[in-house]
Amino acid sequence: EPEVTQTPSHQVTQMGQEVILRCVPISNHLYFYWYRQILGQKVEFLVSFYNNEISEKSEIFDDQFSVERPDGSNFTLKIRSTKLEDSAMYFCASSQTGYEQFFGPGTRLTVL
Amino acid sequence: AQSVAQPEDQVNVAEGNPLTVKCTYSVSGNPYLFWYVQYPNRGLQFLLKYITGDNLVKGSYGFEAEFNKSQTSFHLKKPSALVSDSALYFCAVRVLSYNTDKLIFGTGTRLQVFP
Repeated sequence: EPEVTQTPSHQVTQMGQEVILRCVPISNHLYFYWYRQILGQKVEFLVSFYNNEISEKSEIFDDQFSVERPDGSNFTLKIRSTKLEDSAMYFCASSQTGYEQFFGPGTRLTVL
Repeated sequence: AQSVAQPEDQVNVAEGNPLTVKCTYSVSGNPYLFWYVQYPNRGLQFLLKYITGDNLVKGSYGFEAEFNKSQTSFHLKKPSALVSDSALYFCAVRVLSYNTDKLIFGTGTRLQVFP
């Protein structure tokens, strides 16, 4: 069964460094999303992406964040200058129709 | 504002007993409702959804959920709990408009099934 994959599973970085989180959505899906979950808290929407552009972004998704679909298969989330409060689990999701979102296993980001 | 509430942080149930995990929602328009499960150190796994039609929705692993429009609820149920059902359960609602398409999640309910 096709699934969303994410790499790396765990990323440790120093405050102020740039990180890129990678996702490979399910191949025939058209809608892509990033969510995050701070430890022990609920899952929060970051950004949605369709037709090679951002559909919507939350207030969390400030100028430090960006997304790309560079090659038609990968979907990346970049954080330019990480802060301590960016430490969280980041989930990528994809959807064919927009109804049902399939989530990847997540990348745990730890900012020191 | 669109929102989802899961009033219980934790639900404890004995194996073999029925379980219910509660969810209420507040949305404008028709709700698209979902349940996801998260096992330790794993991602979110889709369990079931309500889009339209029959109010009783059947999903994976023997779970079902009942959509109740008058009570704005979408409680997750299973007739006979298993120890392996122990996990974190999230209710979510899809918010859709001309410039919005996202899931809003509840705070999660930890289900503990005791042998």
